[in-house]
Amino acid sequence: DAKTTQPPSMDCAEGRAANLPCNHSTISGNEYVYWYRQIHSQGPQYIIHGLKNNETNEMASLIITEDRKSSTLILPHATLRDTAVYYCIVLGSWGKLQFGAGTQVVVTP
Amino acid sequence: DVKVTQSSRYLVKRTGEKVFLECVQDMDHENMFWYRQDPGLGLRLIYFSYDVKMKEKGDIPEGYSVSREKKERFSLILESASTNQTSMYLCASSTGGLKETQYFGPGTRLLVL
Repeated sequence: DAKTTQPPSMDCAEGRAANLPCNHSTISGNEYVYWYRQIHSQGPQYIIHGLKNNETNEMASLIITEDRKSSTLILPHATLRDTAVYYCIVLGSWGKLQFGAGTQVVVTP
Repeated sequence: DVKVTQSSRYLVKRTGEKVFLECVQDMDHENMFWYRQDPGLGLRLIYFSYDVKMKEKGDIPEGYSVSREKKERFSLILESASTNQTSMYLCASSTGGLKETQYFGPGTRLLVL
């Protein structure tokens, strides 16, 4: 199963865009990139996923490089409620989600 | 919106007790999963089920069993709770193939004394 690498932490000012990078250099051709976030002591919340094209929904945008070895999650206008740990995951065999350490995002006023 | 609910947010049990954790989803999803989450170890899959009465072992099934008698409900059972089962337990569900998006419940934080 492909592993991912994310920076451990990131600060973002409220109202600004937050760009969260993720490396997944061993990803296979049919593996999706998923993003979840987890606010302290709550269950993970699904954000977005993609295969090779860029994706956008009401929460975020996902930019995947052409070689698929890295991606960036963009929160267009960060709010204080976006403070959370963000996980980038490559969905492996049997649908098993493997969360790494993630990126702790702190949005400041 | 997908709704996955878990029977308790916090639970305190004694060593040796039998513990039942219940998970219910309201979206008619075929697949349901039980994970545990521990600091430094990330999320680990305990069991999953892709249909009623079907179950498959995940990475760490020892000390646990599961039951899926109805499509919407997936129960995790700790036959004889031990202190090393103190953890956050997360239930998830998904539809279609096993690689579809999983939606999580709020989690149950279990403390075994």
